[in-house]
Amino acid sequence: GAVVSQHPSRVICKSGTSVKIECRSLDFQATTMFWYRQFPKQSLMLMATSNEGSKATYEQGVEKDKFLINHASLTLSTLTVTSAHPEDSSFYICSARFMGATEAFFGQGTRLTVV
Amino acid sequence: SQQGEEDPQALSIQEGENATMNCSYKTSINNLQWYRQNSGRGLVHLILIRSNEREKHSGRLRVTLDTSKKSSSLLITASRAADTASYFCATDGGGSNYKLTFGKGTLLTVNP
Repeated sequence: GAVVSQHPSRVICKSGTSVKIECRSLDFQATTMFWYRQFPKQSLMLMATSNEGSKATYEQGVEKDKFLINHASLTLSTLTVTSAHPEDSSFYICSARFMGATEAFFGQGTRLTVV
Repeated sequence: SQQGEEDPQALSIQEGENATMNCSYKTSINNLQWYRQNSGRGLVHLILIRSNEREKHSGRLRVTLDTSKKSSSLLITASRAADTASYFCATDGGGSNYKLTFGKGTLLTVNP
């Protein structure tokens, strides 16, 4: 199956700093990428959808200035958590889909801890 | 918003037994998919069933879909300890605005 690589797998940062998470599709061109957030023992909440070369579409309640998403190429999307706070600590997962696919492929997730 | 509701929220069984998890959704769908997630890891796609299908099999997995009741079930037969994980259903409405909406998940524990 198609492979999506997410990096880093875990990161610890200080409050007020920014953290960038990368999501790469390794063997296909991802026309659309999705970013999710997951709290412990809960489901995945869609944060935003990004199409290559255009601005991301954010879900209601997600601050676009805080969670910057860039999808500059067909194989790479980045999520930057700006001015991180402890409440931003969570598990972030990306997924990618190519045009016409019925399923999306998921990265391994990033555990973000803000101290 | 989360439209899928899985039940049970947690299920504990013995190795060799079958595990059945259910999922309900609220809006019309194009496809329904089941994913598995080991603790602290990403999601692994298990099986997809289209809205015009009623049942699908893949190895030890059996999925049913009842669009009139807006529900689906995932059956894992002859469970193994390695099946211990969280299982989520996800729906998509199709079309150009594709996005997956996940249910709350069932935590399955298979005891050796």
